[in-house]
Amino acid sequence: AQSVTQLDSHVSVSEGTPVLLRCNYSSSYSPSLFWYVQHPNKGLQLLLKYTSAATLVKGINGFEAEFKKSETSFHLTKPSAHMSDAAEYFCVVSRSSKTSYDKVIFGPGTSLSVIP
Amino acid sequence: SQTIHQWPATLVQPVGSPLSLECTVEGTSNPNLYWYRQAAGRGLQLLFYSVGIGQISSEVPQNLSASRPQDRQFILSSKKLLLSDSGFYLCAWIDSGLSTDTQYFGPGTRLTVL
Repeated sequence: AQSVTQLDSHVSVSEGTPVLLRCNYSSSYSPSLFWYVQHPNKGLQLLLKYTSAATLVKGINGFEAEFKKSETSFHLTKPSAHMSDAAEYFCVVSRSSKTSYDKVIFGPGTSLSVIP
Repeated sequence: SQTIHQWPATLVQPVGSPLSLECTVEGTSNPNLYWYRQAAGRGLQLLFYSVGIGQISSEVPQNLSASRPQDRQFILSSKKLLLSDSGFYLCAWIDSGLSTDTQYFGPGTRLTVL
C-alpha cells in the first residue's frame, strides 16, 4: 500500500528566507514522486518529479526536492521565498503503472504563506 | 504541445438541478483522464478515471456520473445536485503512450450548490 504524509498543514516564512515543505511517503514499490503547486482557484501545476534518476530534483521557480530512500522523504525546498510562492503545495506518490490508477496518492497539502 | 480545458470556469446551481462539466484535452491521443473534487480546505478526492472511450471507473459512489464520448473528452454529470457537491472540480490527464505517469491538471471548475 502507498501513503503520503505532509507533516505541516501550514508553513509561514518571511520573504527572502528559505522554504522547507516536508513530505514522507510509504510505498511497496519503487515510487514516482511529485510536487504540485496550487494557487487560489487554479488548477494544480507540476513543480517537479522524481522517477528513479538523480535523487536531487530541480523544478520550476527555483524549487528543488531531494529523494532520500533511507528516510522515505521527499522534502521540497527553495533558498529564498518570494511573495508569489504563497500557495497550496501537494506531495504525490505514484506507482509507475498507467493502468493501475489506485496507486496515485495525494498528500493532504501544505499551505505556504509568505510574509513581506 | 498538450493543453487541457475545463468548462465552465464557475457555476452556481440550485439543489436538485442537473450538472454537466466538460473537460477536453488537445495535442495528445488516448490519454488517461481523471475527475477530482476538492472541497473547501481539503485535499483532492478522486471521483472517476477513464483509460479509453466508454471506459469509466468510479472511485466514490455518489450521485455523480462520468462519460467519455470521445477520446479526448471527459464529462462529469449529475441528475440532481446536493449541497455537498459544492467544490472545486479538477480534470487531469496522463499520456498513456509515454513511460511517465505524470498527471497534468486543467484550470478547474468552481461549483457552488445553493
